[in-house]
Amino acid sequence: ILNVEQSPQSLHVQEGDSTNFTCSFPSSNFYALHWYRWETAKSPEALFVMTLNGDEKKKGRISATLNTKEGYSYLYIKGSQPEDSATYLCAFSTNAGKSTFGDGTTLTVKP
Amino acid sequence: SQTIHQWPATLVQPVGSPLSLECTVEGTSNPNLYWYRQAAGRGLQLLFYSVGIGQISSEVPQNLSASRPQDRQFILSSKKLLLSDSGFYLCAWREQGVLYGYTFGSGTRLTVV
Repeated sequence: ILNVEQSPQSLHVQEGDSTNFTCSFPSSNFYALHWYRWETAKSPEALFVMTLNGDEKKKGRISATLNTKEGYSYLYIKGSQPEDSATYLCAFSTNAGKSTFGDGTTLTVKP
Repeated sequence: SQTIHQWPATLVQPVGSPLSLECTVEGTSNPNLYWYRQAAGRGLQLLFYSVGIGQISSEVPQNLSASRPQDRQFILSSKKLLLSDSGFYLCAWREQGVLYGYTFGSGTRLTVV
């Protein structure tokens, strides 16, 4: 069983705050890491796929970094808005084709 | 473009009753198909995946089964539901290869009473 951990479990911030959270995964057999955003009453949607150590991806105010040697990825949100409220999931994939999800970080942005 | 349909959206079933959840994908051929379940307060747990018609792999022992009678159809079933089968079920597909992200269906909230 692959251990993929996300922290914190939940986060409450004020509109305009910047925030970040962590996905930790095994450093061996790494192939890819995906980030998803899951809004209430919707399906999870893919944000980023990251494959190379040192990768940094950006989409608007959201960015992510990857460190495969130490086994972590950070997701950053700059200037949080209420519409950023969602659960953010990471999924670690091995070169054998298996993907394991973390339990997610639930972000609540208060206006 | 590819779309994924999953139904029903919600279901309340008595213990011991059968279950059938259906998922279909449009706009692609030979997709990898998946059934995930989210238990309360947890992430997504992979239940079954399929790389082709009639090919089903089970990730965890359980009271459920899956079938893929057609290339773009994936069905989750149970002969007799247990209380512990309650949860949120998501169907997903992705292209062959883990570099592609999943595209998820809209989910089914199953409550076993």
